[in-house]
Amino acid sequence: DSGVTQTPKHLITATGQRVTLRCSPRSGDLSVYWYQQSLDQGLQFLIQYYNGEERAKGNILERFSAQQFPDLHSELNLSSLELGDSALYFCASSVAPTNEQFFGPGTRLTVL
Amino acid sequence: AQSVTQLDSQVPVFEEAPVELRCNYSSSVSVYLFWYVQYPNQGLQLLLKYLSGSTLVKGINGFEAEFNKSQTSFHLRKPSVHISDTAEYFCAVTPHSGYALNFGKGTSLLVTP
Repeated sequence: DSGVTQTPKHLITATGQRVTLRCSPRSGDLSVYWYQQSLDQGLQFLIQYYNGEERAKGNILERFSAQQFPDLHSELNLSSLELGDSALYFCASSVAPTNEQFFGPGTRLTVL
Repeated sequence: AQSVTQLDSQVPVFEEAPVELRCNYSSSVSVYLFWYVQYPNQGLQLLLKYLSGSTLVKGINGFEAEFNKSQTSFHLRKPSVHISDTAEYFCAVTPHSGYALNFGKGTSLLVTP
């Protein structure tokens, strides 16, 4: 158990819908990262927050957005969902941006 | 920008045999290097990391890796594998400035009796 929690574990929805994925980092970790894992693209970095502020952006679509709240939990919002958005979404956290990242168990999103 | 190449997508090996999973990286800046393992239907677990110092790094579950700066490699090794080592292994790099991890495509290690 890494100490990072993600909910829900599984999510099934339809094209065009909007979903929110939630992540709680390890106690004391200020940095939160979101990654997408799919068969064709592999593991790709989406976005990073540090202590409530956006720190870095990767291959995140404009339909996707995220935020980190004062209690340091983070949410990833995915809207206008397409079939190709089906993937595993991982959250990771670290004490500081330069430290090792601890991964949550992931949320498996299926878009039908 | 950084990139990671894992040279083998699948590595089949017999139980108790040695194994090496290869990883090469490309970067114009200094990087930290990591190996993560993903068991079926689970998240990623850190096996080992290279930040600085000794180029031979020991991790959990008997794994080790050697950082070779001249060859830009960070190969993962284990002298004797177990059935339970069957999993997907990912090599990753991040610049010293500390942002996202750049992952390789992964190597599927299949250990059979």
